[in-house]
Amino acid sequence: DAGVTQSPTHLIKTRGQQVTLRCSPKSGHDTVSWYQQALGQGPQFIFQYYEEEERQRGNFPDRFSGHQYPNYSSELNVNALLLGDSALYLCASRTFDGNEQFFGPGTRLTVL
Amino acid sequence: GENVEQHPSTLSVQEGDSAVIKCTYSDSASNYFPWYKQELGKRPQLIIDIRSNVGEKKDQRIAVTLNKTAKHFSLHITETQPEDSAVYFCAATTDSGGYQKVTFGTGTKLQVIP
Repeated sequence: DAGVTQSPTHLIKTRGQQVTLRCSPKSGHDTVSWYQQALGQGPQFIFQYYEEEERQRGNFPDRFSGHQYPNYSSELNVNALLLGDSALYLCASRTFDGNEQFFGPGTRLTVL
Repeated sequence: GENVEQHPSTLSVQEGDSAVIKCTYSDSASNYFPWYKQELGKRPQLIIDIRSNVGEKKDQRIAVTLNKTAKHFSLHITETQPEDSAVYFCAATTDSGGYQKVTFGTGTKLQVIP
């Protein structure tokens, strides 16, 4: 079991561009959440996907959107990138009826 | 929305001593409280958790206590070792029909001095 995987590992973009980050959940997990972790801060909840729909959302603008596929993998899309979007983006998965989340290694996004 | 405060932001202890990290939360609907350890450049890893119907939970050198009335919970690490050095995050989870929203604290950087 590879656990939660994310791609790419690192990404450099310029302001105004768009980015797509990808996540494959741990085997057996069907619920995926995305978090933004700025340097020196705790993870901030972006949104959660279950059954291919966004179920919960944190305090993030609609420039942040996502998708979940039938195989439970998920994407995070960020449009019109700002310098402040530079952060580590973490994906976490769990079973719908469980509590314990398993985190992926993250994607380090740098916006120049 | 939920707000989680975590203290202290940094903590240095001698090897073998105990370390205590405290968190408070604001939303009385929060019902699950995990603690994560994050080493530099790595992913957060769950080290212990507690549900709102339990007051204390222990796993070897690590324990968590929860006071629902006061809305605070604490992590206790005994007999600290250098490998315990990391950033620790508390979190509070609200669950609405299985759809969870997790709010993290700001983290505590623990340094265990050999």
